[in-house]
Formats: sequence, C-alpha cells, structure tokens
Amino acid sequence: GAGVSQTPSNKVTEKGKYVELRCDPISGHTALYWYRQSLGQGPEFLIYFQGTGAADDSGLPNDRFFAVRPEGSVSTLKIQRTERGDSAVYLCASSPGQGARNEQFFGPGTRLTVL
Amino acid sequence: KNQVEQSPQSLIILEGKNCTLQCNYTVSPFSNLRWYKQDTGRGPVSLTIMTFSENTKSNGRYTATLDADTKQSSLHITASQLSDSASYICVVKDYQLIWGAGTKLIIKP
Repeated sequence: GAGVSQTPSNKVTEKGKYVELRCDPISGHTALYWYRQSLGQGPEFLIYFQGTGAADDSGLPNDRFFAVRPEGSVSTLKIQRTERGDSAVYLCASSPGQGARNEQFFGPGTRLTVL
Repeated sequence: KNQVEQSPQSLIILEGKNCTLQCNYTVSPFSNLRWYKQDTGRGPVSLTIMTFSENTKSNGRYTATLDADTKQSSLHITASQLSDSASYICVVKDYQLIWGAGTKLIIKP
C-alpha cells in the first residue's frame, strides 16, 4: 500500500505567518511521530501520537508549535508566528505500534522556509 | 546526557570499495540501536535494528555490528554502489529515539 505522505512538499512563508503541515500515515498505523531536521543534522523529535492523543510532546520547542490528530489517522503540525529559525525539513513517521522494535516509516518531509 | 556521535562526518569512496561507518553512544538505558539510510530530499529508511543481545545483523551489502559493553556500533558497506550515496544515521532508543547527526557518504564512479 501507500507509504507515509506529507503535504506540501515545500512551503515558503514570511516571518510572523501561520503554517500548517499535513501528514497522512500508513493505513492502520496507530503511532505517528513528527520530527524536525536541519541541514547536516539528524532528525530532532517533536511529538508522538498514539491514536488520537499526544503521548509525548516533550520535543515541541515552544508554544508556537502545536499538533493534532483528531481521528487517529491524519495529523497536522501547526506553527504560529513563524520565525526564521523554524526553517527546516519537517518529517513525519508512522509505525504499527510503540513496541521497542516497531519500525518507523518516514514520509518525504515538508521543507519549510521562513523568509 | 544521552548522546549519539557518528564518525566520520563525511566520506568519499570509489564505487566498488568497502567502507565502515562508526557510531558511539552514551544512551542509557539501552533498548535498541538502528541504522537508517537517508537519500537527499527523502525521509530516512530503516536498514537494521539490533537489541542488546545481537552482535551482528546484515541487510544485503550492509552489515551492522554492536558492542553493548563499549557502546559502539559500526555499519559496514560491501562493494559500494553509486546508489549507496546518502546520509547514514545511527539511532539509539532509550524511552525515545536519540538520533546521531549522520555520516554523509559519497560514492564516486
């Protein structure tokens, strides 16, 4: 079946604007993760959902960042009052569950550029 | 502080040659260690997952080793191909995934 998809693939916005990034996980996967990756760095964990609830949001850098997954499938990462430092690739991953060996399947990412 | 450090930062080798990438970690408690391959502009793809009791795991031309005593892992690539050009990221799991910065590998014809 289809893998994890993310839209848009690229987003350019101005400082201070609001953006929404969408993630469609693999059908049936209960766990969903958001990461942020800067150039030359590994992904940085932001938030993890198990079903509809955010099980761990300890990676969100501040209250400008918020994510939802209202029906336990599609998730939206929302960033308010964007800053130039928010520019990065935002990766979404899903997995069948949260067991230790559950592999995470990644989407292609959304490249966010804040001017 | 839990950390994952990878070396070298970047590596250029000729097609057909072998190479070994290193990963040292200070993550505790240890659950498992993963190697991911990330092509430019794509999300990471899992290559191997190893738990505490596993010393070696292979996936085609990729062989990962784990020494849980010294907290070191390596990823060996045999008979490299142009398509192996990518970033290779070591990830160690305690309660969540701790990601290394990756090694950027370039294969030249």
